[in-house]
Amino acid sequence: DQQVKQNSPSLSVQEGRISILNCDYTNSMFDYFLWYKKYPAEGPTFLISISSIKDKNEDGRFTVFLNKSAKHLSLHIVPSQPGDSAVYFCAARLWTGNTPLVFGKGTRLSVIA
Amino acid sequence: DTAVSQTPKYLVTQMGNDKSIKCEQNLGHDTMYWYKQDSKKFLKIMFSYNNKELIINETVPNRFSPKSPDKAHLNLHINSLELGDSAVYFCASSQGGRGSEGYTFGSGTRLTVV
Repeated sequence: DQQVKQNSPSLSVQEGRISILNCDYTNSMFDYFLWYKKYPAEGPTFLISISSIKDKNEDGRFTVFLNKSAKHLSLHIVPSQPGDSAVYFCAARLWTGNTPLVFGKGTRLSVIA
Repeated sequence: DTAVSQTPKYLVTQMGNDKSIKCEQNLGHDTMYWYKQDSKKFLKIMFSYNNKELIINETVPNRFSPKSPDKAHLNLHINSLELGDSAVYFCASSQGGRGSEGYTFGSGTRLTVV
């Protein structure tokens, strides 16, 4: 049962343009959402997060948008750089208990110079 | 200085063998996890330990046994390895079980069972 879905397995974007990575979730009890970035042969690294009480969080070139009514979040990268080429995982946390993060299956972003 | 280190990075072994993967974190975190990334690329939680106590044990065969000698270490022992155990195993840690500040992951152990 996929509670966190990333329906695009891959995305190619030209350098300097905007990258938009999407994530949908099914469990309305999630209260916190995170994006992780993963390079080959490395573990995922934390990128940016957003609480369910907000609809936007920005950190430099990275912005995460949350639409609770649609159970949808997106990660915007502007401008995209070749070093952003990686797999991006969306993750979510339940509001109660010590439940671990639930991850999507990732989207591979390729930024073409 | 690696924050979460896993050993070995690669492990190739025959069916039926027993193997262990070690994980250590030097971040002072109180919670550690094992995740499995299988061929479908999902990162699925296997176990979660808080201050050496098991708090989450997802539906994982009992051939998998985690051991936490102290809160900086969480090892994974696998008995009677099967072909389907081939995957990348990630160790992670966080401060607090809710991971609000995100998890710090190790670089993964690629296990191949032949």
